[in-house]
Amino acid sequence: SQTIHQWPATLVQPVGSPLSLECTVEGTSNPNLYWYRQAAGRGLQLLFYSVGIGQISSEVPQNLSASRPQDRQFILSSKKLLLSDSGFYLCAWSDPVGPYEQYFGPGTRLTVT
Amino acid sequence: GDSVTQMEGPVTLSEEAFLTINCTYTATGYPSLFWYVQYPGEGLQLLLKATKADDKGSNKGFEATYRKETTSFHLEKGSVQVSDSAVYFCALSDNNAGNMLTFGGGTRLMVKP
Repeated sequence: SQTIHQWPATLVQPVGSPLSLECTVEGTSNPNLYWYRQAAGRGLQLLFYSVGIGQISSEVPQNLSASRPQDRQFILSSKKLLLSDSGFYLCAWSDPVGPYEQYFGPGTRLTVT
Repeated sequence: GDSVTQMEGPVTLSEEAFLTINCTYTATGYPSLFWYVQYPGEGLQLLLKATKADDKGSNKGFEATYRKETTSFHLEKGSVQVSDSAVYFCALSDNNAGNMLTFGGGTRLMVKP
């Protein structure tokens, strides 16, 4: 069966510091991968998605970036964090040939101080 | 573009009460429809889905029927439990390349003993 991992689970970082969040998927090949952000008490905002290694699409202009160095690895980064980057970051995957649902990881709680 | 509208919460019910969370959508073509549940501090879990008109998705006592004529996918449960307290998200996929999902804003359900 497929599993999705995210780490770290929680992170507290000062403003201006760099960020690296990692997501890995097991048990599937060539998945579509997604990064979402969820602000406190709010809905989901799609940040990036990827349909293959090195293929990244950005949905929202911001100081975040994403990379996919391996088939089942998706990384979210920032060179300098802002207070507004605080939130709950969720990684998800889906099978490109269907069915069309996405499966979510456990999330990373980021607090920028 | 596609959109999903959910009733605003929070919805507060007593244990064993009947639950309905309304969801309506706007989409071109024939989307697939989903309900996700998010427990506090966790990622989203797929609760149920329906891929064509008149399909009924069901899981853990929850049900939703894909109504194309009213563009709706309302979530129901006959008798809620305290453990059902969570945020519920309605979502659609227009079965596009990339398996992108459009989410509603989420509805918080609180069940009191």
